[in-house]
Amino acid sequence: EPEVTQTPSHQVTQMGQEVILRCVPISNHLYFYWYRQILGQKVEFLVSFYNNEISEKSEIFDDQFSVERPDGSNFTLKIRSTKLEDSAMYFCASSVGQSHRSAFFGQGTRLTVV
Amino acid sequence: AQSVAQPEDQVNVAEGNPLTVKCTYSVSGNPYLFWYVQYPNRGLQFLLKYITGDNLVKGSYGFEAEFNKSQTSFHLKKPSALVSDSALYFCAVRDWGNQFYFGTGTSLTVIP
Repeated sequence: EPEVTQTPSHQVTQMGQEVILRCVPISNHLYFYWYRQILGQKVEFLVSFYNNEISEKSEIFDDQFSVERPDGSNFTLKIRSTKLEDSAMYFCASSVGQSHRSAFFGQGTRLTVV
Repeated sequence: AQSVAQPEDQVNVAEGNPLTVKCTYSVSGNPYLFWYVQYPNRGLQFLLKYITGDNLVKGSYGFEAEFNKSQTSFHLKKPSALVSDSALYFCAVRDWGNQFYFGTGTSLTVIP
C-alpha cells in the first residue's frame, strides 16, 4: 500500500536554528500539505501546495516558514529561525486532489526546539 | 467558516460493547466529512468519509459513521469494541479549497 514517508522521525534543534523537514508524498498525488499538532492540541493546517506553488496557507504559516518541492519527489518544510513554540509534531499529507478525496498522512516528524 | 467539534476528550468503553465517538460540524455548502485515527507515535490514518449518498458510511476496521444533516452530526460508531481500537480519533471536514479542519480529538480507551 502506498504511503507518505517523513524524515526524520524526531528532530531536536536549538532555538534560532533552521530546520528542514522532509516528506515523500505518494507518487501520483498532486496536492501536498503540512499540518502541525502541538502536544495535546488539535491538528492545525499550515499550508497546501499544488502545481509548484502555495495554494493556501494559514495564519500560522508566516515568513519564517517556507515549502518547496525541489526535485519532483520530496516536499520540504523549512523553518528559518525556530522558536520554542514551534515544538510540535509536523505531519505531511498528500492527495490526488479535490475536496471529496481523502488525504494520506505521513507518520509525522516530532520537532523539539530547546 | 468550517469547523468541527468533538465534545468528549475521553471515551471509555468495555471490550465487546458498542462505541460511539461524537462529532458535530459547521460548514458552508456541502460537507465533506472524514474520520481519522491516530495510534501512539503514528500519523493520521484514514478511516472513512462521507461525501454524498447513504447517511450510514462504512469504513475500515469495522467502523461506521452516521451523517445526520438536521443535527449536523457525524458520529463514529462500532458495534463491538476491541482493545486494539484504543487510539485518538479525529473528525475532520474538508472545504472546497482542500484544507482539512480537524476536531480536537477524542481519546478512546477500550477496557478489557
